[in-house]
Amino acid sequence: AQKITQTQPGMFVQEKEAVTLDCTYDTSDQSYGLFWYKQPSSGEMIFLIYQGSYDEQNATEGRYSLNFQKARKSANLVISASQLGDSAMYFCAMSSPQGAQKLVFGQGTRLTINP
Amino acid sequence: DAGVIQSPRHEVTEMGQEVTLRCKPISGHNSLFWYRQTMMRGLELLIYFNNNVPIDDSGMPEDRFSAKMPNASFSTLKIQPSEPRDSAVYFCASSPTSKRNTEAFFGQGTRLTVV
Repeated sequence: AQKITQTQPGMFVQEKEAVTLDCTYDTSDQSYGLFWYKQPSSGEMIFLIYQGSYDEQNATEGRYSLNFQKARKSANLVISASQLGDSAMYFCAMSSPQGAQKLVFGQGTRLTINP
Repeated sequence: DAGVIQSPRHEVTEMGQEVTLRCKPISGHNSLFWYRQTMMRGLELLIYFNNNVPIDDSGMPEDRFSAKMPNASFSTLKIQPSEPRDSAVYFCASSPTSKRNTEAFFGQGTRLTVV
C-alpha cells in the first residue's frame, strides 16, 4: 500500500526566508506521481507542483521547487523567498498505481510565515 | 473557467436526515473525484468516476453513502441517513484525463455538520 509521511506538523519561518517542507513516501510501484497542494485558511485545495517518478530533473514552478530524491523516497517542497501569503496547510500526495488520479495524501504541514 | 463548483458551501443537518452534496466539474474534464477531509483521517478518496462511470468506490465508508454522475457536468454525493461522525469537509475534484499523473482541480468544498 502507498503511504505518504509528512513529519512536520507545523513550521514557523520568517518572511523572505526559504523553507523546506518534508515529504517521504512508500510505494512498490515503479511509475508514480508526486504532488503538492496548498490549503489556505479559506479551505480550497490549490495545486502547486508535480513530479513524475521518471523525471530526471526536479520540478520547478515559480517560487516552488520539488527536491526529488528517488533513492531516499523523498519529495520535499522548497519555497524560496517566503511571503506572508504562503501561510497555509501544505499537503504532499502520491498517485495510485491503480490508475487515474487516486491521490493518497499525507497529514499535512501547517506553515506560518512571520513578518 | 469557473473551476469546480460545489454546493452548498456549508450544510448543517440533524442526525438521520438525508444530505445531498452537489458538484459541477470543469467543462471538458472526464474524471471526477469525491474526497472527505477530517482532522482524524486527513484527506480520503471516497469515489471516482471516469466518463461518468464509477470506477472505484472502495473508499465509500458504508451503504449510507452513495454517489451518482448522471452526466458529464454534474455529480452528487448523498448520505442517508446522516450521522454526527459524517461531519467533515467534502471536496469534489476533476481532472482532464484518466491518465495518472495529471493534477486534480479541487472545488472549495462543502463543510457538513451533522448535529
